[in-house]
Amino acid sequence: QVQLHESGPGLVKPSETVSLTCNVSGGSITGYYWSWIRQPTGKGLEWLGRIFYSGSAMYHPSLKSRLTMSVDTSKNQFSLKLNSVTAADTAVYYCARASRSTTSRFDSWGQGSLVIVSS
Amino acid sequence: DIQMTQSPSSLSASVGDRVTITCQASQAINNYVHWYQQKPGKAPNLLIYDASTLQAGVPSKFSGSGSGTDFTFTITNLQPEDVATYYCQQYDNLPLTFGGGTKVEIK
Repeated sequence: QVQLHESGPGLVKPSETVSLTCNVSGGSITGYYWSWIRQPTGKGLEWLGRIFYSGSAMYHPSLKSRLTMSVDTSKNQFSLKLNSVTAADTAVYYCARASRSTTSRFDSWGQGSLVIVSS
Repeated sequence: DIQMTQSPSSLSASVGDRVTITCQASQAINNYVHWYQQKPGKAPNLLIYDASTLQAGVPSKFSGSGSGTDFTFTITNLQPEDVATYYCQQYDNLPLTFGGGTKVEIK
């Protein structure tokens, strides 16, 4: 059973860059699409973007200028960097795996990493 | 972006009831909808994919239907463990988008 685990700084200052990593265990990162999804407290889900194990990425248009995703197959992990953060980026950030042979059916999720943007 | 309008935003029903949630897409999206359950403090969990296919290991009390712009998610024999927020998600076009969620409570 694959397991995903996000790690991140917790607290980030406005205008800085938040970096999150999703470590994949119990399965290979190879052959799958991996996404980041966030959820502000008490609100709904927002898809941020996805990356294939090969490194090919697609981003949400509203975040494209601030977002970078990368994958490290040797470490079986993938990462997100979001720059110029504001309070609006405060949320729980989830990493998720799409089922094999699909791009957008999220069958495995991390437990979430809370990012608070505050000075 | 495709908007997914989910209703109701919340509902309260009795144990044993049948509960229905709807999701309307802002444009036709074939059957490209998934449904998730999210319990408080937890990550979402996939229940239904491609509008009507039950994810492996998910009880048959959950079901989905629909195509085009209108989709329905149903829980039969509601139980206390079904208390959660339920989300639809479209994957016809990027960016992927979710409905606003339906919070299901026990009366």
